[in-house]
Amino acid sequence: GNSVTQMEGPVTLSEEAFLTINCTYTATGYPSLFWYVQYPGEGLQLLLKATKADDKGSNKGFEATYRKETTSFHLEKGSVQVSDSAVYFCALSDEPGGGSEKLVFGKGTKLTVNP
Amino acid sequence: GAVVSQHPSWVICKSGTSVKIECRSLDFQATTMFWYRQFPKQSLMLMATSNEGSKATYEQGVEKDKFLINHASLTLSTLTVTSAHPEDSSFYICSARQGFIEQYFGPGTRLTVT
Repeated sequence: GNSVTQMEGPVTLSEEAFLTINCTYTATGYPSLFWYVQYPGEGLQLLLKATKADDKGSNKGFEATYRKETTSFHLEKGSVQVSDSAVYFCALSDEPGGGSEKLVFGKGTKLTVNP
Repeated sequence: GAVVSQHPSWVICKSGTSVKIECRSLDFQATTMFWYRQFPKQSLMLMATSNEGSKATYEQGVEKDKFLINHASLTLSTLTVTSAHPEDSSFYICSARQGFIEQYFGPGTRLTVT
């Protein structure tokens, strides 16, 4: 079945550091890939998504590229801020058209950014 | 963006009792609602999908008689954990979507069964 593996946390960085959170997936067919972010006390929010190979999703300075050859969707940000402290979840869906039915999540990676 | 609320945010109940968790879409009509369960340091696991006015579809391994889901209106879905036991203690998260656009997630409900 489909599965998502993301790097174990927690990750602690200083402000303005470069961030990479690794995510790899196993899926039949051609899934859509997502990154969600959960700030303390809030629900998960969609951060970015990509629906086909070589697509790059981007939002709020975060980027992730859908790499079919390596089955990866690593999250990156060039310069993190304290406000980026949150838990980040990688997820996939095999619903056509980039929909979000039947999301399969990774375990989440907690990021703490210190001033 | 769209807002989904859950109530209560934290509940403690005694073993053998039932507890109801509400999920509401505050500013949109949710044709589909999803219920997830999350164990500490684990991923969210989809429990069931419900469409307004019809029976929920449960994922394999989820006991439908234990986790009763009702999606009676386009803004409200409820999850009732019946005859709760300590192993049911977990973080329960709902999400909602309108049509085929993205899911919007609630903040979650922590259930502790003593």
